[in-house]
Amino acid sequence: DIQMTQSPSSLSASVGDRVTITCRASQRISTLLNWYQQKPGKAPILLIFGASSLQSGVPSRFSGSGSGTDFTLTISSLQPEDFAVYYCQQSYSGPTFGQGTKVEIK
Amino acid sequence: QVQLQESGPRLVRPSQTLSRTCTVSGGSISSSYYWGWIRQLPEKGLEWIGYLSRSGSTHSNPSLRGRITISVDTSNNQLSLNLTSVTAADTAVYYCTRGGGTGGSFDLWGHGTLVTVSS
Repeated sequence: DIQMTQSPSSLSASVGDRVTITCRASQRISTLLNWYQQKPGKAPILLIFGASSLQSGVPSRFSGSGSGTDFTLTISSLQPEDFAVYYCQQSYSGPTFGQGTKVEIK
Repeated sequence: QVQLQESGPRLVRPSQTLSRTCTVSGGSISSSYYWGWIRQLPEKGLEWIGYLSRSGSTHSNPSLRGRITISVDTSNNQLSLNLTSVTAADTAVYYCTRGGGTGGSFDLWGHGTLVTVSS
C-alpha cells in the first residue's frame, strides 16, 4: 500500500488567510494525486485532479502543486464556506487517501 | 446532470452480507468510467473498497479481497456491492462513486449511507 500523510492534521485560520496543506506519499506517484473537500454530513467533492488541475466549478482560490512524493493544496484567500476537512488521494496504485486536514475558524 | 442514489439495508447482522445498490440517473452506467464504492469508517478517513473498470474487471482493496462482489445491471442503470462475513469493523458510511477521470480521481459521489453492523 502507498501511504499518504497529510500535515497538519488540523489548523485554525481566519477569513482571508492563505492556507497551505501538504501531502506526502510513501513512494513516488508522479502527478497521480487528487484533493477533496468534505463538509459535515456530506460526501467529499473533488477539488483538484492530476496534482494541479482545477475541477470544473471549483473556485480559482484553490490550487494544487507537486509531483513525485510531495504535494500541496493552497487556498489563496480563505472564505467562510471553505471551513471543512480536506483529503488527498493517490491513484498510482490501489487508491489510498490521506488521513485528512481539518480547517477550522480561528 | 448525473446523480448517484444509494439504497439498501442500514442494519446488518454480524457474519451476514452487506448489500448496497446505486442507481445512476441522468447518464449511462455503460459510459467510459469506473463505477465503485468507497467507505468512511466512524470518525476516521476514507477507504477505497473497489470498482469495475471500463473492461468490466473488478479491482478491489487487498484488505477486503475475497469478501467483495461488485456488479453492474445495465438494464436498470445500477451498480451493486456485496460484502460478505461482516463484523462491527465494517460499520461505516458507504459511498457510491464514479471514477476513472483524469488523474484517477473520483469526480462524482452519492450522498452516502451509514450502515451499521450489529446484532
